[in-house]
Amino acid sequence: NAGVTQTPKFQVLKTGQSMTLQCAQDMNHNSMYWYRQDPGMGLRLIYYSASEGTTDKGEVPNGYNVSRLNKREFSLRLESAAPSQTSVYFCASGRGAGWDWVEQFFGPGTRLTVL
Amino acid sequence: DAKTTQPPSMDCAEGRAANLPCNHSTISGNEYVYWYRQIHSQGPQYIIHGLKNNETNEMASLIITEDRKSSTLILPHATLRDTAVYYCIVRVAISNFGNEKLTFGTGTRLTIIP
Repeated sequence: NAGVTQTPKFQVLKTGQSMTLQCAQDMNHNSMYWYRQDPGMGLRLIYYSASEGTTDKGEVPNGYNVSRLNKREFSLRLESAAPSQTSVYFCASGRGAGWDWVEQFFGPGTRLTVL
Repeated sequence: DAKTTQPPSMDCAEGRAANLPCNHSTISGNEYVYWYRQIHSQGPQYIIHGLKNNETNEMASLIITEDRKSSTLILPHATLRDTAVYYCIVRVAISNFGNEKLTFGTGTRLTIIP
């Protein structure tokens, strides 16, 4: 099993450009999450999807959109990138609703720089 | 979810036990304590979780005080590969649609010294 995979690993954008970060998991998990991590800070939740077909805002959703394409894939889109979106982006998956404890599995991250 | 307080940094000699404290004085009866760690630049990794009993797995032990207001993660024989940021997270036990998300603080930066 590959676990959680993310593409690309690195990306440099110019202000105003758009891009989509891809995430896929092969653990048959219901829930998927996008976090961002700025230098010296903990992870902050951007969006999450509790199940296929549903998405909800997290702590810092402004400037982002998401798509839960199917149970395996959850993408994050920056429509008009800004320097403030320079960060490391982590995707995670978890078993989700109905379980009495939660373990999340994280991907390797995408390092995004917006100039 | 209850807030947690952790020291920003700690050092531990290689081969010794690393004891990482976490205060969660406002924890509710239905909230678990979770520990994750993040090794440099990688995604966080689950370590252990517990409700009120002490827990042990192949990675670590978790000691929760009787009043559940604090806990300690113990790495019994720390190695250089244990150098990482350790996050203590408290959240509700039963997951329903929409509440599985984890809230990460800034954690404790543990440095294992050779």
